[in-house]
Amino acid sequence: QKEVEQDPGPLSVPEGAIVSLNCTYSNSAFQYFMWYRQYSRKGPELLMYTYSSGNKEDGRFTAQVDKSSKYISLFIRDSQPSDSATYLCAMSRGGSYIPTFGRGTSLIVHP
Amino acid sequence: DTAVSQTPKYLVTQMGNDKSIKCEQNLGHDTMYWYKQDSKKFLKIMFSYNNKELIINETVPNRFSPKSPDKAHLNLHINSLELGDSAVYFCASSHPGTVNTEAFFGQGTRLTVV
Repeated sequence: QKEVEQDPGPLSVPEGAIVSLNCTYSNSAFQYFMWYRQYSRKGPELLMYTYSSGNKEDGRFTAQVDKSSKYISLFIRDSQPSDSATYLCAMSRGGSYIPTFGRGTSLIVHP
Repeated sequence: DTAVSQTPKYLVTQMGNDKSIKCEQNLGHDTMYWYKQDSKKFLKIMFSYNNKELIINETVPNRFSPKSPDKAHLNLHINSLELGDSAVYFCASSHPGTVNTEAFFGQGTRLTVV
């Protein structure tokens, strides 16, 4: 079992839909949880990060962490075609620890 | 004013050749990384440098050698290229004290070994 599991998709939704992207993990030492967005032929860019459990909202994006279930989610409201990209979750024990990435979920938002 | 820049963007080469990929960041970060992303999109850490010192060297073949002439540059040299080295290689950097959460990535170098 990999430390971080993420369904590769693709996930195809109509414009305006609410999107839910998820990751599970096995290492209970993870404290920092991140979501990166990667457009085709580009490098990943940090979208959001949270520390420990709870929710964090930024515009149309909400990150949710449930440490008891070892489950994190990213919700996208009112999805747009420009949201079409691969979304990678990543998590870290913090300090000098390098994040471990999921394999990414490909999201397609069609007009 | 690109933050993290890599060259070349594309690299096609034959098996057995030696090649280098260059990376530069103008963000003033102390820590730089090399990641490999395979065809299944897995992003795996290869090396990490903190202020020119290697602090992590994951189990990559010793044909791969990182070199950091100064804290703004981290180059990757690959000897005796193999078919399995074909992947996208990303350079990244992060600010000291941010627990590595806010890594900034370059655009990637797509390496194809034929």
